[in-house]
Amino acid sequence: EPEVTQTPSHQVTQMGQEVILRCVPISNHLYFYWYRQILGQKVEFLVSFYNNEISEKSEIFDDQFSVERPDGSNFTLKIRSTKLEDSAMYFCASSLRTGNEQFFGPGTRLTVL
Amino acid sequence: DQQVKQNSPSLSVQEGRISILNCDYTNSMFDYFLWYKKYPAEGPTFLISISSIKDKNEDGRFTVFLNKSAKHLSLHIVPSQPGDSAVYFCAASAVGGTYKYIFGTGTRLKVLA
Repeated sequence: EPEVTQTPSHQVTQMGQEVILRCVPISNHLYFYWYRQILGQKVEFLVSFYNNEISEKSEIFDDQFSVERPDGSNFTLKIRSTKLEDSAMYFCASSLRTGNEQFFGPGTRLTVL
Repeated sequence: DQQVKQNSPSLSVQEGRISILNCDYTNSMFDYFLWYKKYPAEGPTFLISISSIKDKNEDGRFTVFLNKSAKHLSLHIVPSQPGDSAVYFCAASAVGGTYKYIFGTGTRLKVLA
């Protein structure tokens, strides 16, 4: 069964460093999302992406964040200068169409020291 | 932002009995609702969904009920099995948007053997 994959599973970085989280969505899906879950809190929407551009972003997704689909398979989230409060699980998701269920990857645990 | 609420942080049920997980929402623009199951260190796994034109959707042991007037949905699991022990999130999305999901805070279900 096709699935969303994410790498790395765990990323440790120093405050102020740049990180890139990678995702491979399900191959025929057209809509891509990033969510995050700070420990003990709910899963929060960050950004949605369709047709090579951002469709919607939350207030969390400030200028330090960017997303890219550099080729036909990968979907990346870049945090330019990490802060302690960026420590969280980051989930990538994809869906075939809007209104279809989103399939989530296993997540990347980001730890900012 | 508490548009989707799960007021019970945890629930314990005996194996073979019914588990009922509840979710309330405030945004009348939500028209698509989902339940996800999450194990530790994994991404959310889609369970079942319902659109606002229906009041019930069933898939095997899982049934979701939607009461639009009360802005309430519930997930029934019958019969409950120990493997159902996980955190359950309800999520909602709004018509006309990018179908970003707004998640509840989750209910930890423990099914006792």
